[in-house]
Amino acid sequence: DAKTTQPPSMDCAEGRAANLPCNHSTISGNEYVYWYRQIHSQGPQYIIHGLKNNETNEMASLIITEDRKSSTLILPHATLRDTAVYYCIVRVVGNQFYFGTGTSLTVIP
Amino acid sequence: GAVVSQHPSRVICKSGTSVKIECRSLDFQATTMFWYRQFPKQSLMLMATSNEGSKATYEQGVEKDKFLINHASLTLSTLTVTSAHPEDSSFYICSARVRTGDGYTFGSGTRLTVV
Repeated sequence: DAKTTQPPSMDCAEGRAANLPCNHSTISGNEYVYWYRQIHSQGPQYIIHGLKNNETNEMASLIITEDRKSSTLILPHATLRDTAVYYCIVRVVGNQFYFGTGTSLTVIP
Repeated sequence: GAVVSQHPSRVICKSGTSVKIECRSLDFQATTMFWYRQFPKQSLMLMATSNEGSKATYEQGVEKDKFLINHASLTLSTLTVTSAHPEDSSFYICSARVRTGDGYTFGSGTRLTVV
């Protein structure tokens, strides 16, 4: 079952940073935080994941609080193509992904 | 990177018929694949875990006799929706675990419409 809480929707101006929060207060020590996004009528796309350290890749940055009970996905310069539903998932390595309700991000021109 | 191909992308079938959806790992071997269903404006719901050479494991509430899963090779898993009804109309998505790592890749999905 999903163990995360995300706001249902957010707006972001094009070119600005999009900060998407996620609460996972019951996360276990061996569970990673994953972020995926789904553009309408497509399969989910991997963005980033982390355990306790902050992570950055070419798509985004992941900031995990010290107590690991929440995290924030940052898209540094949002474009219209970043409009999608963003899913935050916690899981043990090797286990299945259970998706929560996600955040519908709309990037506004 | 790892690619999962799913076919068909769209299918329309008559009520009472069966439909087969294929999920292929193109450049890696996948011992484990996952099948999801997604209704409009809802999140993905895990249906079952498909293991190569053994029986699939179904999530609670998913009818295994209605949603037949076969994972006969390391690159192919199939989902057959038997005796489809309009309420089975949905977006079906597969995912595969890259064998040598933890990366999970998703297919592009199949839009099933039962009329």
